[in-house]
Amino acid sequence: QVQLVQSGAEVKKPGASVKVSCKASGYTFTSYGITWVRQAPGQGLEWMGWISAYNGNTHYAQKLQGRVTMTTDTSTSTAYMELRSLRSDDTAVYYCARDRSGYKFCDHWGQGTQVTVSS
Amino acid sequence: DIVMTQSPDSLAVSLGERATINCKSSQSVLYGSSNKSSLAWYQQKPGQPPKLLIYWASTREFGAPDRFSGSGSGTDFTLTISSLQAEDVAVYYCQQYYSFPCTFGQGTKLEIK
Repeated sequence: QVQLVQSGAEVKKPGASVKVSCKASGYTFTSYGITWVRQAPGQGLEWMGWISAYNGNTHYAQKLQGRVTMTTDTSTSTAYMELRSLRSDDTAVYYCARDRSGYKFCDHWGQGTQVTVSS
Repeated sequence: DIVMTQSPDSLAVSLGERATINCKSSQSVLYGSSNKSSLAWYQQKPGQPPKLLIYWASTREFGAPDRFSGSGSGTDFTLTISSLQAEDVAVYYCQQYYSFPCTFGQGTKLEIK
C-alpha cells in the first residue's frame, strides 16, 4: 500500500533552516509528484509547492520563493523540503502528499511533521 | 493566483440531516476540452492529515462513503453529505488544481447540532 513517512518534529531558532524528509513506498516513486502543504496552529491548509519526482521540476508558492527548496532522491524514494531563514510564523505542521498521476490533487498524505520556530 | 472561497466558515447540522458546503473559485477551473473541473474536496479530522474525498468536482475517491457527493462546474461547487454521521465531524477544504499555486479554500468546520 502507498505510504509516505515523514521525519520527526523539529525545534529551530529564528534564522535557522529546517529540512523535512518524506519517504515513499508502495508505488513507483518517479511516476508521481509530491506536494508540500503546511498548516499553522488553528489555521487552514497552505499550499507550499510541488516537485516532479520524474524530472525534479518544481513550482513554489510566491510567498516562499527564495526561502524554500524541494528536492527528491530517487535512489531512496525520498522527497525533501528545506525552508531557510525561519521565522516564528513558519511554526506549523508540514505535510507531504502524493499527487494522482499527473493531476495535482493529493491522494495520499504523510503523517505530518511539526516544526516549531522559537527563540 | 486563483482564490478559493468557502461558505459557510462553520456549520452545525443534526445527525441524519443533510450538510451542504459551498466553494467558489475566482476564475474558472474547467480543464481543457474534457469538461471536467479541477476541484477536489478533503476532510481533515483533528490531529490527522487531510483525506481526499472528491476529485474532478464530483468523482468520489475509492473508500469514501457514498453519502458524500460533489457537484458544480466552472467556478461554483458544492460538497453534500446526505445524512450526517457522528464521524463526519471535521473541517472540509476545497482545492483547485487547475493551475499553480494549487490553492485551498479557508475551510469549513462541520459540527453536530
